[in-house]
Amino acid sequence: DAGITQSPRHKVTETGTPVTLRCHQTENHRYMYWYRQDPGHGLRLIHYSYGVKDTDKGEVSDGYSVSRSKTEDFLLTLESATSSQTSVYFCAISEGEIAGAGYNEQFFGPGTRLTVL
Amino acid sequence: KNQVEQSPQSLIILEGKNCTLQCNYTVSPFSNLRWYKQDTGRGPVSLTIMTFSENTKSNGRYTATLDADTKQSSLHITASQLSDSASYICVAYNQAGTALIFGKGTTLSVSS
Repeated sequence: DAGITQSPRHKVTETGTPVTLRCHQTENHRYMYWYRQDPGHGLRLIHYSYGVKDTDKGEVSDGYSVSRSKTEDFLLTLESATSSQTSVYFCAISEGEIAGAGYNEQFFGPGTRLTVL
Repeated sequence: KNQVEQSPQSLIILEGKNCTLQCNYTVSPFSNLRWYKQDTGRGPVSLTIMTFSENTKSNGRYTATLDADTKQSSLHITASQLSDSASYICVAYNQAGTALIFGKGTTLSVSS
């Protein structure tokens, strides 16, 4: 999985509790991404980062926040988890842009399965 | 509307046979298209990346084609193996990098 780890790998939590998922990379790649994958949907981008402290929203960012204080770590926080946030969350990295002027490859982590009861 | 549609939704083939998966996309302006393989319980792994100027790209037994005029791509798998059982995901990107559209995937099962 290209030097990407996600923690925890599985988590069960209750509605209304805060949850933080961690993505750690050892590749020193500039870009990091958080996606969610649900049955009947393709992967959907939540947030991404293009450098330390530089983040932007994706397609489904409501209810999520992110932080990146170090190149290697990208945190995804659910401030108050809801059942609709039950999903598999994938972190991804890329050395440069994946679209536009750049065609850099995107590498995905192993995923975190989150269940909100 | 930016979208990616894949067909078939699922496919079962015998080991050793060939198969072709389809992807129709609507992303504007188009930048590049990728095929990923996702094994159960794991993250997607890139198979091919193609820009609008490329028609064919191969990666071992995997060959992807792209027709930018009809906005269609296909992934052909030759001499399938049991390890090819996975979900295959088509992803289209626009030039601004603001539209990253993942298809829902085709689930391929290869049986012996």
